[in-house]
Amino acid sequence: GENVEQHPSTLSVQEGDSAVIKCTYSDSASNYFPWYKQELGKRPQLIIDIRSNVGEKKDQRIAVTLNKTAKHFSLHITETQPEDSAVYFCASPGSGYSTLTFGKGTMLLVSP
Amino acid sequence: NAGVTQTPKFQVLKTGQSMTLQCAQDMNHNSMYWYRQDPGMGLRLIYYSASEGTTDKGEVPNGYNVSRLNKREFSLRLESAAPSQTSVYFCATVTTQGGDTQYFGPGTRLTVL
Repeated sequence: GENVEQHPSTLSVQEGDSAVIKCTYSDSASNYFPWYKQELGKRPQLIIDIRSNVGEKKDQRIAVTLNKTAKHFSLHITETQPEDSAVYFCASPGSGYSTLTFGKGTMLLVSP
Repeated sequence: NAGVTQTPKFQVLKTGQSMTLQCAQDMNHNSMYWYRQDPGMGLRLIYYSASEGTTDKGEVPNGYNVSRLNKREFSLRLESAAPSQTSVYFCATVTTQGGDTQYFGPGTRLTVL
């Protein structure tokens, strides 16, 4: 089955800095790569996703890049704010019907 | 429109007790999923139901059973709870095939003593 590795496990930045989280995947046939944000005590929620026919997608301060050759994709957050503090999960398609395999998560802490 | 709901929110069990976690959705989605979340382990798929009447094992199915009662409801049962099943359980739904957005419920925090 698909294996997704996510780095780093924790990331501390100052407000206004940029943050980058990277994931690698094993199945070269994977074609969909979402990112979920989970605030403390809350449910995971999709923040951005990318399909394999594009290399980059942006939505205001967040962007995702995809390198299919190297089998990795990254989440970029610019001008970080304290409310960006959360756990971020990457994912790629699993072996079952519309299933996802998630990375182990990155705890992002943005200090004022 | 409540989205995805789960009951109960919290539960404490003793080893060997049984319980059923309930999940319901009013989004008319076809596929439903049960995950467990443990510190440092991310979200791991327990069971899923691609459509009404079907269920399949995920990554960590041992110790669990599921029932897709109808299109709206998908329950997870622990027949004989063990401390290793202490976790936060999330239900999720997906509307279409091919990796579309998963919508998560609020979660159930389960402690097994």
